[in-house]
Amino acid sequence: TQLLEQSPQFLSIQEGENLTVYCNSSSVFSSLQWYRQEPGEGPVLLVTVVTGGEVKKLKRLTFQFGDARKDSSLHITAAQPGDTGLYLCAGALRTDKLIFGTGTRLQVFP
Amino acid sequence: GAGVSQSPRYKVTKRGQDVALRCDPISGHVSLYWYRQALGQGPEFLTYFNYEAQQDKSGLPNDRFSAERPEGSISTLTIQRTEQRDSAMYRCASSSHRPSDNSPLHFGNGTRLTVT
Repeated sequence: TQLLEQSPQFLSIQEGENLTVYCNSSSVFSSLQWYRQEPGEGPVLLVTVVTGGEVKKLKRLTFQFGDARKDSSLHITAAQPGDTGLYLCAGALRTDKLIFGTGTRLQVFP
Repeated sequence: GAGVSQSPRYKVTKRGQDVALRCDPISGHVSLYWYRQALGQGPEFLTYFNYEAQQDKSGLPNDRFSAERPEGSISTLTIQRTEQRDSAMYRCASSSHRPSDNSPLHFGNGTRLTVT
């Protein structure tokens, strides 16, 4: 059973558009990570957020951890075709169990 | 090696056979996770080791699934009496520290298991 729900499940946009992906749970996490996965490969870490309310920026990507450490968002500004992929959030429970979200498949068309 | 290595890359087996999937983590990595992933979806947690100790096996679907990491390095995920519903991509990941230390997971390329 997935405890982390991501929305939207699919997103298809034109180059230059902005988008936001949401990751929600009823559980509290000690930290939350975002990964990006390309076809045929394993997920690769983008960022880790630890403190409630924390905001981190990675070039055109902005990540936010909710105040209660139950949810997170990923905002991409001026999306590019190279951003295409499967975006995954992953929450670390206090037991060190790391669970992944349901995934958001992003397709950016030139 | 430079990354997490999984073998075999592809495994086709007949229903009822046992299979063993191997994971060779990055040298020195403390934590090792096994996940199962359906196409286009997030990895589903199976089990997790710190060194040789299996810390959590709550994600193993049933008692046909087992995992071990006897020397705190290489791990084997074994599926007995395979069924068609076991067909999936099985991914292993390792981490230099515990996730509570905010260490990233490094994933292998996975083993694609097909049960016919």
